[in-house]
Amino acid sequence: DSGVTQTPKHLITATGQRVTLRCSPRSGDLSVYWYQQSLDQGLQFLIQYYNGEERAKGNILERFSAQQFPDLHSELNLSSLELGDSALYFCASSFLWTGSYNEQFFGPGTRLTVL
Amino acid sequence: GQQVMQIPQYQHVQEGEDFTTYCNSSTTLSNIQWYKQRPGGHPVFLIQLVKSGEVKKQKRLTFQFGEAKKNSSLHITATQTTDVGTYFCAGVNRDDKIIFGKGTRLHILP
Repeated sequence: DSGVTQTPKHLITATGQRVTLRCSPRSGDLSVYWYQQSLDQGLQFLIQYYNGEERAKGNILERFSAQQFPDLHSELNLSSLELGDSALYFCASSFLWTGSYNEQFFGPGTRLTVL
Repeated sequence: GQQVMQIPQYQHVQEGEDFTTYCNSSTTLSNIQWYKQRPGGHPVFLIQLVKSGEVKKQKRLTFQFGEAKKNSSLHITATQTTDVGTYFCAGVNRDDKIIFGKGTRLHILP
């Protein structure tokens, strides 16, 4: 158990819908990262927050948005869902931000299926 | 854009044989991290390399960071069935963006 929690574990929805994935980082960690993992694309970095502020942005679509709240939990919002958005979404946390020693702890993931 | 290429994509080895996966970045990295993901699990951090030419060992695992900080390798000596999984490298560039390689899936034949 990494100490990072993600809810829900599974999510099945239809195209065009909007969903919210939630992540609670390890106690004491200030950084939260979101990743998308699909079979053919590996792990894609989406976005990183540090202490409530956006720190780095990866290949995140405009239909996707995220935020980190004052209690440091984070939410990833996915809208106008398409079939290709079906994937495993991981959240990870770390104490610091990348560039310094920065071990990331991954949550168990949320499996999103878009029908 | 910046890419991190990882080879091979798949590797089958007999138990007891050695295994190596290679990671190459199109640009210079500030550091590189390695993760292992067991089937059905989530990625687990193995190590971070920061210095040019750095070599670190963890029991049967040896990690290297190239002199130019653009490539890295993970070598496992005498593989065991517990080594099964996908090994990812993740390069961090100077803008703090982290880019994962697509991983090398290791299968161990008994």
